[in-house]
Amino acid sequence: DSGVTQTPKHLITATGQRVTLRCSPRSGDLSVYWYQQSLDQGLQFLIQYYNGEERAKGNILERFSAQQFPDLHSELNLSSLELGDSALYFCASSEALTSSWQFFGPGTRLTVL
Amino acid sequence: ELKVEQNPLFLSMQEGKNYTIYCNYSTTSDRLYWYRQDPGKSLESLFVLLSNGAVKQEGRLMASLDTKARLSTLHITAAVHDLSATYFCAVLILTQGGSEKLVFGKGTKLTVNP
Repeated sequence: DSGVTQTPKHLITATGQRVTLRCSPRSGDLSVYWYQQSLDQGLQFLIQYYNGEERAKGNILERFSAQQFPDLHSELNLSSLELGDSALYFCASSEALTSSWQFFGPGTRLTVL
Repeated sequence: ELKVEQNPLFLSMQEGKNYTIYCNYSTTSDRLYWYRQDPGKSLESLFVLLSNGAVKQEGRLMASLDTKARLSTLHITAAVHDLSATYFCAVLILTQGGSEKLVFGKGTKLTVNP
C-alpha cells in the first residue's frame, strides 16, 4: 500500500458524459501527478500539481482538467467523454517538486460505453 | 521528444532460467526507474538508478544503468513464477516549469512458466 488513495475504483459511463476522479496523496506529499494507462498509448503523463499550482503538463486533452485543493487532494475532470478515453487513470504523489520517488495509487478504471 | 523503448515487450521463460530486459532512452536523464505492475493493479516501485554504472539488486532482480549508452537493464536470475508481471522502465526528465515528469516505456510482460 503506497499511501495514495483514489476514488472511485471503477467508473462506467456513457459517451458525452463528464466524470471526476479523486486522489489523496500520501501524508506530507505536496506534488500530485496524473497518468493515463491505455492499451494504445501505454502509460502517459497527463499533468502535475505542486502545492495547489499546476507545474507541468503532458499529453492532456483540452476536455480534461485537474486541480489541487488546499488540503492537497486532487481531482481530474474528464468531460465530453469518448470511447477512447476508457483507460486506467493513476494518481501518484511525491514529497516535493522534484523527488526521488513517485508513489502510485491503485488507479481508477474508467469505462466509456 | 524523449523516447523510451523496452524490449522485449513479451517474455515467456521457464522457472530457473535467466533473462535480461532492456530499456533504451533517447535523451540524457538524471534518473531511471523500474516499476512492476501485476494485472489490474498499481505500479510498485522496484529500483531507482541515479548515476552511470549504478547497480541495484533485490532478490532475483538486478538493475543497472549505462548513461553513456542510454541503456538500462533489468536482469532476472533463476526466475520463479512469482516474478510474472509487467515491468516498466521510466525516465525522469525536467519540464519547463522546473518540475519533472516520468516517461514510461511500453512495458515488458513477463510470464514465468513452471
